[in-house]
Amino acid sequence: IAGITQAPTSQILAAGRRMTLRCTQDMRHNAMYWYRQDLGLGLRLIHYSNTAGTTGKGEVPDGYSVSRANTDDFPLTLASAVPSQTSVYFCASKRGQGPYEQYFGPGTRLTVT
Amino acid sequence: AQSVAQPEDQVNVAEGNPLTVKCTYSVSGNPYLFWYVQYPNRGLQFLLKYITGDNLVKGSYGFEAEFNKSQTSFHLKKPSALVSDSALYFCAVSPWDQTGANNLFFGTGTRLTVIP
Repeated sequence: IAGITQAPTSQILAAGRRMTLRCTQDMRHNAMYWYRQDLGLGLRLIHYSNTAGTTGKGEVPDGYSVSRANTDDFPLTLASAVPSQTSVYFCASKRGQGPYEQYFGPGTRLTVT
Repeated sequence: AQSVAQPEDQVNVAEGNPLTVKCTYSVSGNPYLFWYVQYPNRGLQFLLKYITGDNLVKGSYGFEAEFNKSQTSFHLKKPSALVSDSALYFCAVSPWDQTGANNLFFGTGTRLTVIP
């Protein structure tokens, strides 16, 4: 079934540890996104990529990094996790530049202790 | 700067009654507007969008939304609510930008509960 997969589903992480959240899509979409969802704040954009080889910063990029080596994969790395990064993380993709709808993965629930 | 407001954290409606979930926006230029729904422990699912043209947009599962430029609103509606419509609803705006990125800016969400 076409779509977006994210791994892991959930994770408990000690503060200071490094963590990479994985995201893979099989729709050959050019654009990909990472959001965090926090209660009362909705979804906020962390980083995005309009096409393979390019990335950009969203609303809340600090403490996170991304790479886009190919069309399908868009990993999100927390270099040194802090408790404020406890959240649910969603990856999304879109066909290309323009007002197309975004398709979302199932999310990763991350707890930093 | 762009922003989206969903003034109601919670909306309760009886099954079979019409429902409305409110959304207002602020953006430079012409807006692209979206509604998404999130069921428990799931990602967001696209419902409908307004790009241009007819102000009344029809989407999935019998939902529709009306774009009102003068009131900068994009309220989500359904004529007859179902218990299965109970979920978290997000309004989002995408401003036009020169890069064509059209990133989404989300509201804080409205939890809809349909009472049997």
